[in-house]
Amino acid sequence: AQKVTQAQTEISVVEKEDVTLDCVYETRDTTYYLFWYKQPPSGELVFLIRRNSFDEQNEISGRYSWNFQKSTSSFNFTITASQVVDSAVYFCALRLAGGTSYGKLTFGQGTILTVHP
Amino acid sequence: EAQVTQNPRYLITVTGKKLTVTCSQNMNHEYMSWYRQDPGLGLRQIYYSMNVEVTDKGDVPEGYKVSRKEKRNFPLILESPSPNQTSLYFCASSLSSARRTYEQYFGPGTRLTVT
Repeated sequence: AQKVTQAQTEISVVEKEDVTLDCVYETRDTTYYLFWYKQPPSGELVFLIRRNSFDEQNEISGRYSWNFQKSTSSFNFTITASQVVDSAVYFCALRLAGGTSYGKLTFGQGTILTVHP
Repeated sequence: EAQVTQNPRYLITVTGKKLTVTCSQNMNHEYMSWYRQDPGLGLRQIYYSMNVEVTDKGDVPEGYKVSRKEKRNFPLILESPSPNQTSLYFCASSLSSARRTYEQYFGPGTRLTVT
């Protein structure tokens, strides 16, 4: 069975600081997808990124960047120059890409990020 | 507008009184899924459906039922709710393929309280 661990329960930073949210996953499958979602205080879940297991290229989107390292089973998320609007709960998730269980999506426990002005 | 809708958004009920939370999507997605969100536990998958008449258990299916008679709808049924089913519930949908996977679109959530 797969597992996703977000060891940081809560992180508090001051605006303009960089912050990294850790995500470690476990799976025996070689083909899978990793996701990050954002849940702002309003409660909705917002998709941020999808990465498949064959693509270890890091990705940057504005102030957001993701570091995927298969060797350490990690998919970390960095926000550069954080802003108050980044305050939210962030979830990492794993979905298998094949077999009979490819419909199952496993989420981490979430990291609460608070950015103070 | 492409969206996933859930009803009701808020529900307070009593132990044992059957209830249904509806979920509907207008994006012609094959895949639909239900999750519950609890503090410190993240989101946990209850049931999912790869297509019409195809459903399977997630990680926490006990006490829940689902059906998928139409592509757009995926209701969550609690036959005899108990207080430990008090939670925030999300429905989600996505395109589906055996060869790749797609991001899920989530509904706004249903906050259920069972007393």
